[in-house]
Amino acid sequence: KAGVTQTPRYLIKTRGQQVTLSCSPISGHRSVSWYQQTPGQGLQFLFEYFSETQRNKGNFPGRFSGRQFSNSRSEMNVSTLELGDSALYLCASSLGLAGKSNEQFFGPGTRLTVL
Amino acid sequence: AQSVAQPEDQVNVAEGNPLTVKCTYSVSGNPYLFWYVQYPNRGLQFLLKYITGDNLVKGSYGFEAEFNKSQTSFHLKKPSALVSDSALYFCAVRDATRYSSASKIIFGSGTRLSIRP
Repeated sequence: KAGVTQTPRYLIKTRGQQVTLSCSPISGHRSVSWYQQTPGQGLQFLFEYFSETQRNKGNFPGRFSGRQFSNSRSEMNVSTLELGDSALYLCASSLGLAGKSNEQFFGPGTRLTVL
Repeated sequence: AQSVAQPEDQVNVAEGNPLTVKCTYSVSGNPYLFWYVQYPNRGLQFLLKYITGDNLVKGSYGFEAEFNKSQTSFHLKKPSALVSDSALYFCAVRDATRYSSASKIIFGSGTRLSIRP
């Protein structure tokens, strides 16, 4: 069974631009969560989608948004990029809602650099 | 509010020695607890979880963790460390008794485990 895939793997943008990241979960998984990982802040939860509905949201500004499609694939969008948005963005999928009793399966991440 | 703490940024162990990576948590109800490992330039990989039942949980690669409710801890252990165990380890917690859509999974700050030959 194929794992979680994320595209692109690397991205370089400039301040003010917007970016869209994509995540394809493991087949059959209905939950997709997004995390931001930085050396200083660790792993920060962005949001979780289940059956095309956002079920949980972390403490990030409205510039960060996401959506989930009927095939469970998910996209994350960041508008008006700031230097501080440079990070590794991780996507994780699970059978049910993340962590309820289901472990998450993580993709390799998208490394975003904002110049 | 739920939280999880990994008090050590780094743990150094000689190969062949036992290792422990510490994790303490705080939830209002019963916890679901997880350990994940991250190798360089990779995503996180699930190691083990505690849902209910036996306090000693066995997971991948010879790792195990002990749930201690009175000390609100879930320390990760391995009897004999390997150089290949060197990686970043994350503990995570979710409140099992809250309504699922209102309870987020919270990750600790991570502990870098370094095994010297």
